[in-house]
Amino acid sequence: GDSVTQMEGPVTLSEEAFLTINCTYTATGYPSLFWYVQYPGEGLQLLLKATKADDKGSNKGFEATYRKETTSFHLEKGSVQVSDSAVYFCALSDQASNTGKLIFGQGTTLQVKP
Amino acid sequence: KAGVTQTPRYLIKTRGQQVTLSCSPISGHRSVSWYQQTPGQGLQFLFEYFSETQRNKGNFPGRFSGRQFSNSRSEMNVSTLELGDSALYLCASSSGSGHSYEQYFGPGTRLTVT
Repeated sequence: GDSVTQMEGPVTLSEEAFLTINCTYTATGYPSLFWYVQYPGEGLQLLLKATKADDKGSNKGFEATYRKETTSFHLEKGSVQVSDSAVYFCALSDQASNTGKLIFGQGTTLQVKP
Repeated sequence: KAGVTQTPRYLIKTRGQQVTLSCSPISGHRSVSWYQQTPGQGLQFLFEYFSETQRNKGNFPGRFSGRQFSNSRSEMNVSTLELGDSALYLCASSSGSGHSYEQYFGPGTRLTVT
């Protein structure tokens, strides 16, 4: 079945450092890909999405490009802030059922130190 | 526009009891999905409702059930609670039911089973 694999955390960075969180997926067909962020004690917030190959999603300085050839959707940010500390989830939509079902990676905790 | 709301935010129940959780989607959204989040299993899809019909169901026992009302509000019920049902239950709403639609999550209901 479809699956998402994220890099193990936690990722600890200093403020203004460059961030990359790796995400690879296995899927039949062409799913849509998403990054969600979860702050402590809260639900998930949609960060960005891409619906087809070579699409780049971007929001709040974060970017990710849908790479079909490498089945990847890595999250990047040029300069992280302490306020970016959270858990980040990569997800794909279940295209086979064509419903709203999302399949999530295990999450990557990001800690940004001042 | 008001976001997705979930009630209650916190619940403590005893093993063997049953519980009902409620989710009110964003106004105009007709799809509601439910997810269970635990430290061990991560985020797992429970089921999705669209226009009062269950469109998709995850791999959970029959003790987990749900429904959707004509105003798109949804409830999920867990009967005969087990210790392993302790989790954060998240609902997400979407304007449509398809793999490219964005899903917006509520803050979750934290269920503790003792």
